[in-house]
Amino acid sequence: DVKVTQSSRYLVKRTGEKVFLECVQDMDHENMFWYRQDPGLGLRLIYFSYDVKMKEKGDIPEGYSVSREKKERFSLILESASTNQTSMYLCASRGSSPGNTIYFGEGSWLTVV
Amino acid sequence: EDQVTQSPEALRLQEGESSSLNCSYTVSGLRGLFWYRQDPGKGPEFLFTLYSAGEEKEKERLKATLTKKESFLHITAPKPEDSATYLCAVQANSGAGSYQLTFGKGTKLSVIP
Repeated sequence: DVKVTQSSRYLVKRTGEKVFLECVQDMDHENMFWYRQDPGLGLRLIYFSYDVKMKEKGDIPEGYSVSREKKERFSLILESASTNQTSMYLCASRGSSPGNTIYFGEGSWLTVV
Repeated sequence: EDQVTQSPEALRLQEGESSSLNCSYTVSGLRGLFWYRQDPGKGPEFLFTLYSAGEEKEKERLKATLTKKESFLHITAPKPEDSATYLCAVQANSGAGSYQLTFGKGTKLSVIP
């Protein structure tokens, strides 16, 4: 089975802190994604990566950055956390073949106070 | 721009009462349509991928169908454990949408014993 592991399930951070959300997948997938999910807004793509050290902006990249130094690991960085970044963050991965399924991690609940 | 609309937003069923969830989409060439199930506080769990109009897939009490404009998730004789939010997503054939999925906002299903 595909496993996408998000290292932190619940975090509480202060406004202005730098926040790292880590994600690891064990299926040698080329593509990795970070989404956020908010009530009434659904899942929105923040960033994705189609290869090591490669990244592309999604629909809502402002206030976020990402890092992919190794194929299995994709990190989301909040340079200076703000209260409007309180959300559920979902990491996902997929192989490179067209139409491949995207598999999700369990999610990280971030509260910024 | 790719768009996905799911209806209804919420659905309450009695145990054993069959029904259908709708997913309408517009996409510049469909590569795949995906159904996910999401339990509260967890990441989406993959259910089905449909690739072309007329295709159908089944899993236990769930059956997904696809036309050129919409997909249905039919639930036959549901049980309380089928209660969850069901998400629909599309992947386009080309452009930025070919890497990512565009999600609908989901249908929250409650099955009452």
